[in-house]
Amino acid sequence: NAGVTQTPKFQVLKTGQSMTLQCAQDMNHEYMSWYRQDPGMGLRLIHYSVGAGITDQGEVPNGYNVSRSTTEDFPLRLLSAAPSQTSVYFCASSYGGEGYTFGSGTRLTVV
Amino acid sequence: GEDVEQSLFLSVREGDSSVINCTYTDSSSTYLYWYKQEPGAGLQLLTYIFSNMDMKQDQRLTVLLNKKDKHLSLRIADTQTGDSAIYFCAELMEYGNKLVFGAGTILRVKS
Repeated sequence: NAGVTQTPKFQVLKTGQSMTLQCAQDMNHEYMSWYRQDPGMGLRLIHYSVGAGITDQGEVPNGYNVSRSTTEDFPLRLLSAAPSQTSVYFCASSYGGEGYTFGSGTRLTVV
Repeated sequence: GEDVEQSLFLSVREGDSSVINCTYTDSSSTYLYWYKQEPGAGLQLLTYIFSNMDMKQDQRLTVLLNKKDKHLSLRIADTQTGDSAIYFCAELMEYGNKLVFGAGTILRVKS
């Protein structure tokens, strides 16, 4: 099925652990991005990519790394998890203004 | 600057019209969007409007754009209980195809 696939759907981490949230799209979209959603704050941009090999920081990049080695994949790495990173994470991809598609989200809890 | 503002809560009776308002600050935004999020789910694109349009209608949804005041609204006609959700306004920034979201408006539909 075409779309944006995120894994895992749920994850519990201990403080200080690292992990990678996976995101893949099969629509050949140029643009990909990661957002986090916290109650009452809408979605905030963490990192984004305008094409393979090109990434840039968004509004809240600290504590996260990304890479874009292929058009399809855009993984988000948490280097050393903190309780403040407890959130719901959404990956999205687009080819332009009309085609923004979101994944179903990863619910992360850091204890 | 990048800032999108929405009222936090709206309550309507089933069958009435709902109007959700949004203001944005970046006059160079090319697209403006309305997304719907149901509890525990991802974001569903409802509709969008290009910045050179004043109005767009799509079945029960009407989007109005006032570029002079940087004001966007979403009208839902004949609101149903299934329309209860959080509605996010978002603007597309020109560089990087980044979306900037409002904090969301909770729509509650009373039967």
